[in-house]
Amino acid sequence: QVQLVQSGAEVKKPGASVKVSCKASGYTFTSYGISWVRQAPGQGLEWMGWISAYNGNTNYAQKLQGRVTMTTDTSTSTAYMELRSLRSDDTAVYYCARDPYYGSGLFDPWGQGTLVTVSS
Amino acid sequence: QSVLTQPPSVSAAPGQKVTISCSGSSSNIGNNYVSWYQQLPGTAPKLLIYENNKRPSGIPDRFSGSKSGTSATLGITGLQTGDEADYYCGTWDSSLSVWVFGGGTKLTVL
Repeated sequence: QVQLVQSGAEVKKPGASVKVSCKASGYTFTSYGISWVRQAPGQGLEWMGWISAYNGNTNYAQKLQGRVTMTTDTSTSTAYMELRSLRSDDTAVYYCARDPYYGSGLFDPWGQGTLVTVSS
Repeated sequence: QSVLTQPPSVSAAPGQKVTISCSGSSSNIGNNYVSWYQQLPGTAPKLLIYENNKRPSGIPDRFSGSKSGTSATLGITGLQTGDEADYYCGTWDSSLSVWVFGGGTKLTVL
């Protein structure tokens, strides 16, 4: 079955960077993209950006431009999201989701989520 | 403050029907497809409805979606206690060039 498995929880200090992985299985990785969505504690969902697993093209939410980088490794069917210059308001659960094309919203399935805590 | 507006909460009895609204503008709902997501407590969201009214395989027909103008609606019939969850609408915003979500609606099945 189609599955996305994410890396484990992280605790980071303000100003540091975090890199979350998302390993895909059960489908042809390069036939889809991956969107990243985050959810602050007790809050709603926020779309962060999309990457094509076919050619590595990326589109980021303007709010995160300059701080976020999304990449893929087709040899291991894994997507990565790196967020730099972390602040306390970056504390959230980060989700990856299979997404066929930029702007589709066809987030299906989702990974289990990775909690990133930013605290001094 | 979310670009899309949803009621914070709705409730209904088991077996009944409930609707959840999602209000936007011409730059988002008015000119783009709407999706709905279900987030059960402590779990990742799940795609419930896409392209306004289509259900992914495995989603029961108790769940339905519709869109009119700059608003969309999720309907759930035959409510079950297992439907208690947060529900989010989402769509592309052409002005912001970003996928936007509503603030979420907590469904309580009394």
